[in-house]
Amino acid sequence: EPEVTQTPSHQVTQMGQEVILRCVPISNHLYFYWYRQILGQKVEFLVSFYNNEISEKSEIFDDQFSVERPDGSNFTLKIRSTKLEDSAMYFCASRGDTGHQPQHFGDGTRLSIL
Amino acid sequence: DQQVKQNSPSLSVQEGRISILNCDYTNSMFDYFLWYKKYPAEGPTFLISISSIKDKNEDGRFTVFLNKSAKHLSLHIVPSQPGDSAVYFCAARTGGGADGLTFGKGTHLIIQP
Repeated sequence: EPEVTQTPSHQVTQMGQEVILRCVPISNHLYFYWYRQILGQKVEFLVSFYNNEISEKSEIFDDQFSVERPDGSNFTLKIRSTKLEDSAMYFCASRGDTGHQPQHFGDGTRLSIL
Repeated sequence: DQQVKQNSPSLSVQEGRISILNCDYTNSMFDYFLWYKKYPAEGPTFLISISSIKDKNEDGRFTVFLNKSAKHLSLHIVPSQPGDSAVYFCAARTGGGADGLTFGKGTHLIIQP
């Protein structure tokens, strides 16, 4: 069964550094998403992406965040200048184009900011 | 601001019995509801969903019920199996161009042999 893949599984970064989290969505999906889950808290929506542009973003997704689909298969989340509070699990998701389709999630990248 | 609430942090059920997980929501604009299952160190896995125009959807051992007037949905698992032990998340979206999911905090289901 096709799946969403995320790399790396764990990223350790110094505060203030830039980090790029990578995702390969399911191949025929057209909608892409990033979520995060801070330890002990809910899964929170960050951003959705369709047709090469952001379609929706949450209050969390401020100017330090950006997303990109650099080629036909990858979908990336960049955090420009990381803060301690960015430490979390980051999940990528994708879904198909027809009607009510569920989002399918990757296994996440654990981001640890030191 | 808890638009999706799962009030039971954990639930213990005997193997073979029915597991019932509950979820309440406050946003009347939600039009699509989903249940996800999550094991440690893995991402959420889609289980079953329901559109707001329906009141029940069934898939094998899993059934989701939606009561729009009460803004309540539930997931029934019958019979419960040891592999069902996981955290279950209720999620919802408002539809249209805005389809980021709003999640509940999750319920940890423990199936006892």
